[in-house]
Amino acid sequence: KAGVTQTPRYLIKTRGQQVTLSCSPISGHRSVSWYQQTPGQGLQFLFEYFSETQRNKGNFPGRFSGRQFSNSRSEMNVSTLELGDSALYLCASSLEIAYGYTFGSGTRLTVV
Amino acid sequence: KQEVTQIPAALSVPEGENLVLNCSFTDSAIYNLQWFRQDPGKGLTSLLLIQSSQREQTSGRLNASLDKSSGRSTLYIAASQPGDSATYLCALTDSWGKFQFGAGTQVVVTP
Repeated sequence: KAGVTQTPRYLIKTRGQQVTLSCSPISGHRSVSWYQQTPGQGLQFLFEYFSETQRNKGNFPGRFSGRQFSNSRSEMNVSTLELGDSALYLCASSLEIAYGYTFGSGTRLTVV
Repeated sequence: KQEVTQIPAALSVPEGENLVLNCSFTDSAIYNLQWFRQDPGKGLTSLLLIQSSQREQTSGRLNASLDKSSGRSTLYIAASQPGDSATYLCALTDSWGKFQFGAGTQVVVTP
């Protein structure tokens, strides 16, 4: 079966721009979570969506937002990009807590 | 507040040696614990998932144990190979449904 698909794989953006990342979960999975990974901070939780509702949120500024569609696909948006937003953004989907999480390959965002 | 710790941060072993990776947590009220592998610049690959009611899980050369009373999980990799070089992360789902990661152990297996 298809895994978690993240698009695009790589992005280069300029400071001040905005960006939208996409995540398609495994079929049947209704939970989608987003993480930011940087060498200095490790893996940091951004937010989780379940059935189109944000269920949990990490400690990130309001420039980071997300949404989930009725087909469980999720998008993450970052506005007014800063150099510090350069990171690997990972998406994970889950059927339910008991079954653990499956991660996508990530989107590498570089802000110049 | 739950804290997840992985020590050591880095480990280097010669090929053929068994790997022992540790993960400790402060609150024993967890749903499950999951071990992942991450290659540089790549996503996370799930290795093993242990439910809170289980003591261990095995897959091929990998074995993961869970001791909730002592707040520890250990990942054993038998007869390590250079292809096992990667960062290994543990993550648990706590009683609030929050998924938390350790910082990872970077493993290098030398030929």
